[in-house]
Amino acid sequence: GENVEQHPSTLSVQEGDSAVIKCTYSDSASNYFPWYKQELGKRPQLIIDIRSNVGEKKDQRIAVTLNKTAKHFSLHITETQPEDSAVYFCADSGAGSYQLTFGKGTKLSVIP
Amino acid sequence: NAGVTQTPKFRILKIGQSMTLQCTQDMNHNYMYWYRQDPGMGLKLIYYSVGAGITDKGEVPNGYNVSRSTTEDFPLRLELAAPSQTSVYFCASSYEGDGGPLHFGNGTRLTVT
Repeated sequence: GENVEQHPSTLSVQEGDSAVIKCTYSDSASNYFPWYKQELGKRPQLIIDIRSNVGEKKDQRIAVTLNKTAKHFSLHITETQPEDSAVYFCADSGAGSYQLTFGKGTKLSVIP
Repeated sequence: NAGVTQTPKFRILKIGQSMTLQCTQDMNHNYMYWYRQDPGMGLKLIYYSVGAGITDKGEVPNGYNVSRSTTEDFPLRLELAAPSQTSVYFCASSYEGDGGPLHFGNGTRLTVT
């Protein structure tokens, strides 16, 4: 992808509340949108991904939604827990590209 | 499987020195990548490889070189280190080439002074 904007850059929520992080992309031909979680001092790890032929995907408390018309996709975390505290990165692959372009990250803090 | 293994974990270089960051994976993935991560800036792609003998530039290749002589290994070479290269470097591999899930190594924290 050419450009990925991620918002917000920081997010604080009370334990048990929901958190939503949004990313917008510029390449209308982008077809793959992953989300990575990075705990402090550790490597990024994939938590969920979605392809352009699907509008929504869920995995327990985590979901990703994709709006191709508006060119944005969002990460939804429900019933947040302290262990959800981390930096979350969105990314997109562009069209037929081997290169993932990452957003700048969102630092999520879940307050017990 | 060990996954993606990077060495060293930490390194301090003086300006103008050279070094090689090692990366090896045991998942038989064709696609391998080098990213750098600066605070608050996400991950930037330096170089990538779609298979042994094939490499290509990413978004920020200047000051770096790579080689891919085997499927398993993808070393990153820094020539004439500069303070701007102070960063955390992550190697990654994937099974699918069209941006499929990346498996990251644990990273190398490099400081150039």
